[in-house]
Formats: sequence, structure tokens, C-alpha cells
Amino acid sequence: GESVGLHLPTLSVQEGDNSIINCAYSNSASDYFIWYKQESGKGPQFIIDIRSNMDKRQGQRVTVLLNKTVKHLSLQIAATQPGDSAVYFCAENANYGGSQGNLIFGKGTKLSVKP
Amino acid sequence: DTAVSQTPKYLVTQMGNDKSIKCEQNLGHDTMYWYKQDSKKFLKIMFSYNNKELIINETVPNRFSPKSPDKAHLNLHINSLELGDSAVYFCASSWQGGDTQYFGPGTRLTVL
Repeated sequence: GESVGLHLPTLSVQEGDNSIINCAYSNSASDYFIWYKQESGKGPQFIIDIRSNMDKRQGQRVTVLLNKTVKHLSLQIAATQPGDSAVYFCAENANYGGSQGNLIFGKGTKLSVKP
Repeated sequence: DTAVSQTPKYLVTQMGNDKSIKCEQNLGHDTMYWYKQDSKKFLKIMFSYNNKELIINETVPNRFSPKSPDKAHLNLHINSLELGDSAVYFCASSWQGGDTQYFGPGTRLTVL
């Protein structure tokens, strides 16, 4: 299950199950959203992105859903594998197409996959 | 070849010292960034820079300054280091306009 507290929110899933990681964003003007995966000791790695004119986008084993009404973003990972264990960040950009692309990162969720 | 590289990977130094972290990208991007990640994994933008514009997050102390010798490099200079500067610093790059940002491996700075 998912726990939220003083520490990083953690989601524990069994290998092979589907994972859903949620994110609430703050700026209703944000028009571009990205999910990043950060493994221990490494930099954030791009997973998938979505623009505000879409509500769903699929990649390989991953799906991002965007609900602009409630400012909510989710990342679904199908058939979760041990290699998916990492911290996942959502990021929003309210200046897409403008002069600078400042990303505002969410808090992050730690995904632990049990073999 | 590594797309975005940073040196050093680890930096341990005393309070009050001045240090630099180097960043290089070979993606041909025109915009580079510096982020700070604290102990709770929170990632916060410090600077974004292209050949026309430097945007500074207003919360960043002026002890921190980015220096760009050319389009492929954006180094971070930190003067008079403080204990609270201890964090992991990430460099990133992208095309101008908020396209996907590619991150370096990070530099873990420890101030004693």
C-alpha cells in the first residue's frame, strides 16, 4: 500500500503486479508534465511525458493519465519488475514553448518491488 | 558516451571554502540547468541558462554562481560554503522551450 508521512511516500508492490503512482500538481497553468525515475545514486531519467491537450499517453509498460479538473497526474506501470524499484517524480512546466523550461518537481514516491 | 556529465561525483570540503562543480553536455542542447536535491529527495531548480538569458531562482544565495564558458558547459561556483549547502547537485540540459530535460549523474557535496 501507499504511506505518506514525514519521509518519502513509499509504494510496495509484488513483482508482476501493476503499480500506480499518483501526483497532485499545483499550477493550473501548467501545460506539460513529465515523469522521471531516479535510481539510487543516479540522476533522474525521463520515462514519459504528456501535454495538457491529452488525458492519456502510453509507452512501453507505462501509462500516464492527466486529470486537469482536479490537477492530478498518475503513472501506471504494468507488470512491475524489480528493476522498476526507484523514486518516481512528476514534474510540471508552466512555460512550455516559452523562453525557459523550468520544471517544478513533486515530492517523489519510492517504489519498492518485492520479488 | 555520457550525454550529461558532472565532475566530481563526490566533493567533501570544509565550511568557508570555495568550490566548483563542472557540467558538460554533448547533446547539442542550448539550455542548461542546475538543481539541488536535499536529504528528503526534494529537487529544486537553482538556475536555468541559455546563451541569451540567465534565470535565477530567487531563493538561491548569491554565493552560488553559474559560469558558462561555452554552450556545452555550465559550471557551478560556490563561495563561502555553509553546512546547509550539503546536498546532491544535478546538472541538466534541454532544447530551449521546456522540452525534456536530461540529467547528469549528480555531485554529492558534503560540507563539514
